[in-house]
Parts: sequence; structure tokens; C-alpha cells
Amino acid sequence: AQKVTQAQTEISVVEKEDVTLDCVYETRDTTYYLFWYKQPPSGELVFLIRRNSFDEQNEISGRYSWNFQKSTSSFNFTITASQVVDSAVYFCALSEADTNAGKSTFGDGTTLTVKP
Amino acid sequence: DARVTQTPRHKVTEMGQEVTMRCQPILGHNTVFWYRQTMMQGLELLAYFRNRAPLDDSGMPKDRFSAEMPDATLATLKIQPSEPRDSAVYFCASGLRAGVPGELFFGEGSRLTVL
Repeated sequence: AQKVTQAQTEISVVEKEDVTLDCVYETRDTTYYLFWYKQPPSGELVFLIRRNSFDEQNEISGRYSWNFQKSTSSFNFTITASQVVDSAVYFCALSEADTNAGKSTFGDGTTLTVKP
Repeated sequence: DARVTQTPRHKVTEMGQEVTMRCQPILGHNTVFWYRQTMMQGLELLAYFRNRAPLDDSGMPKDRFSAEMPDATLATLKIQPSEPRDSAVYFCASGLRAGVPGELFFGEGSRLTVL
């Protein structure tokens, strides 16, 4: 069974601080995919990144970076120099590679508040 | 911009009434998902389809919920009869799966309140 744990329910930072959102997953599959989604106050979830289980390279996109470590089953997300517009709920998700499945299991989300 | 369209955006109804939520997935996407979001349970997968065939609806209360895809441009989620505990935001998402799971594109959600 798949499971995604986002232990941080809420995080509050002041603008320009760096913040890391934790994600720990469980799966028996050797091939799987990890995702991060952002849910701003408008409600619609927006895709941020997908990584597969064979690619442990860290990724950076602007102020966003992701650290994938198979050894600890973690896929953490860091926002550098946070901004008020980063305030949202962030979800980590795990998808099976099995061709008969493919459903995504989501964590409970971390609510990030960035104060001016 | 291609978007997943959900209707209605908001629905208030009384207990016992039938509720139907509709979703138009992005053209060309072959997977459709229904999720329910509540404060207590977070995002729960209710059902999903690939190429219009239901693959998993184990997350759905079968006695009152039903999900269908009458054609490639329409997915429906029906609750009959509705109960106050069904109050939640229901999201539809579509994606393109060609061997590996791709990103999901979410609609804006249907906020349901059952009184």
C-alpha cells in the first residue's frame, strides 16, 4: 500500500525566509513517481514537479528546489526567499508505475503562510 | 489554455436530495479522477477512469455514490441520497497516461454543502 506523509500541517514564515516542506513516502514498488502540487486560495491544484524513482538528482526551478533521497524515502521541497504569493497548501503525491493503476496518493498537505 | 471544467462551482442542497457534479476533462486526456477534499480527511480518491473505463472506485461509498463517463468529454459524479457528511469540495482531474503517470490537471472544484 502507498502512503504519503507530510508531517508539517502548517508553517508560517516571514517574507524572504527560506522554507522546506517535508514529504516522506512508503511504497513497495521499485518504480514510482513523486509529485508536488500547489493549492492557492483560489482552490485549484497546480502541478509543480514530477520525479521518477530512478532519478535522484536534485532539481531547481527558480526559487523552488526539490531534494529526492531514496535512502530516506523523502522528497522535500524548498522555497528560497519566500514571497507572500507562495502562501498556499502544498501537496506531495505518489503514483504507482503499474500500468493497471496509476492513481495518485496524496499527503494531507502543508499550509504555508508567508507574512509580509 | 486547456482547462478541466467542473460544474456546478457551488451547490447547497438539503439532505436526501440527489446531487450531480459534472466534469469536462482536457481534450485528449485519457485518465479522469474524482477526489474529495475535507479538512478532516484531506484529499481522498473516490474514483478514476482510464479510457473511460472505471479502474478503481474503492474509495467511494457505493450505496450512495456513482461515477460514470458517458463519453470522453464528460465525467459525472452522483450522490443519491446526499447526507450532511458529504459536504466537501469535489475535484475532478484529468491526465494523460502513456506508460507512466503524468501530471494531473485539476478543475476548480465543486463545493457541496448538504444541510
